[in-house]
Amino acid sequence: GAVVSQHPSWVICKSGTSVKIECRSLDFQATTMFWYRQFPKQSLMLMATSNEGSKATYEQGVEKDKFLINHASLTLSTLTVTSAHPEDSSFYICSASPSGSSYEQYFGPGTRLTVT
Amino acid sequence: KQEVTQIPAALSVPEGENLVLNCSFTDSAIYNLQWFRQDPGKGLTSLLLIQSSQREQTSGRLNASLDKSSGRSTLYIAASQPGDSATYLCAVNSVDDYKLSFGAGTTVTVRA
Repeated sequence: GAVVSQHPSWVICKSGTSVKIECRSLDFQATTMFWYRQFPKQSLMLMATSNEGSKATYEQGVEKDKFLINHASLTLSTLTVTSAHPEDSSFYICSASPSGSSYEQYFGPGTRLTVT
Repeated sequence: KQEVTQIPAALSVPEGENLVLNCSFTDSAIYNLQWFRQDPGKGLTSLLLIQSSQREQTSGRLNASLDKSSGRSTLYIAASQPGDSATYLCAVNSVDDYKLSFGAGTTVTVRA
């Protein structure tokens, strides 16, 4: 149980375009989902906390207009990187907390984004 | 703000040796601490989760200890194997919010 999927697993896009990444909890409902970014040989950095039915909370230094997060259902959160640039190339990982278990997080397999 | 430090950053050992990975955190008001494994280009695999009230957790060859008052955790991997080669991440869940704070990781290489 407690499986989280991400789609796509990797994506290449051209500079200036937007790309959407999906995060799904497959066998549980998640009131809260988290989005992380990981640069090569670095640790995970929390970008934002996504709550179902409300606006996401962004960490300091993360541009909310560039990284649009939508959490429209209890099993799906999406991250849209708008007007992507090469410096946005990174590994994006989501996690989901089962409703009622706020201190548990189950992680997705990650999405590799390359902006050319 | 919770700061998590992992030492060493990298470790190379011959097969069969025991591994000792260290994690320290600055704020002892934690809810739990987790150890993860990450293979290159892959997501996270949860290895062990220790609640703040626990002193250690064991799973097979893995044992993790927690000393909350001193802000330290240690992951022991017994009789290392080449398949243990990966990056190991420590993450702390603070009491005052539900966010995980990650260390930078220890990259382990087990030589055959």
